[in-house]
Amino acid sequence: KAGVTQTPRYLIKTRGQQVTLSCSPISGHRSVSWYQQTPGQGLQFLFEYFSETQRNKGNFPGRFSGRQFSNSRSEMNVSTLELGDSALYLCASSRWVDGYTFGSGTRLTVV
Amino acid sequence: AQSVTQLGSHVSVSEGALVLLRCNYSSSVPPYLFWYVQYPNQGLQLLLKYTTGATLVKGINGFEAEFKKSETSFHLTKPSAHMSDAAEYFCAVRSLYAGGTSYGKLTFGQGTILTVHP
Repeated sequence: KAGVTQTPRYLIKTRGQQVTLSCSPISGHRSVSWYQQTPGQGLQFLFEYFSETQRNKGNFPGRFSGRQFSNSRSEMNVSTLELGDSALYLCASSRWVDGYTFGSGTRLTVV
Repeated sequence: AQSVTQLGSHVSVSEGALVLLRCNYSSSVPPYLFWYVQYPNQGLQLLLKYTTGATLVKGINGFEAEFKKSETSFHLTKPSAHMSDAAEYFCAVRSLYAGGTSYGKLTFGQGTILTVHP
């Protein structure tokens, strides 16, 4: 059974650019959540999508956005990158509220 | 609002010794509780979870945790540490309430780095 796939694994971007990260959930999982992990702030919830609808959003600026496609794959976009956006971005998929499977993450470095 | 406190950002044990990682949560009702492990440059791997039923939960790699409602705790233990257990461990909670601001949202502790000495 394939796990959660995140691409790319590593990214280096310049301040002011934008970036798109991709997450393919486990087959049959319709919920996809995104998290940002940094040494200073730890793991913070970005947003959650279910059946192409954003149902929940964390406390992040509008530069952070996402979407979900009909096959449940999800993308997140960060516009006008700042140095502080450097982080490991994790996505998790779930079928029920009691189980979340995480991908290996995308390591974003902003220079 | 829910919160999670992991006591001790670093824990060091000898190989073969007991592992005890502490987690306390704050929630108006008992939530779903999880322990995840993260190895360097990897994502999070689920060790175990408590939803309902038996309060002693067994997970992978010999880990277990006990949900104690009266103490609002969910400490992780392993009787005998192995070198391969060296990693960062995260306790997380999720509200029992399925909707609104709970959708997809796990609240994590700050993590505990476990070091295992030979």
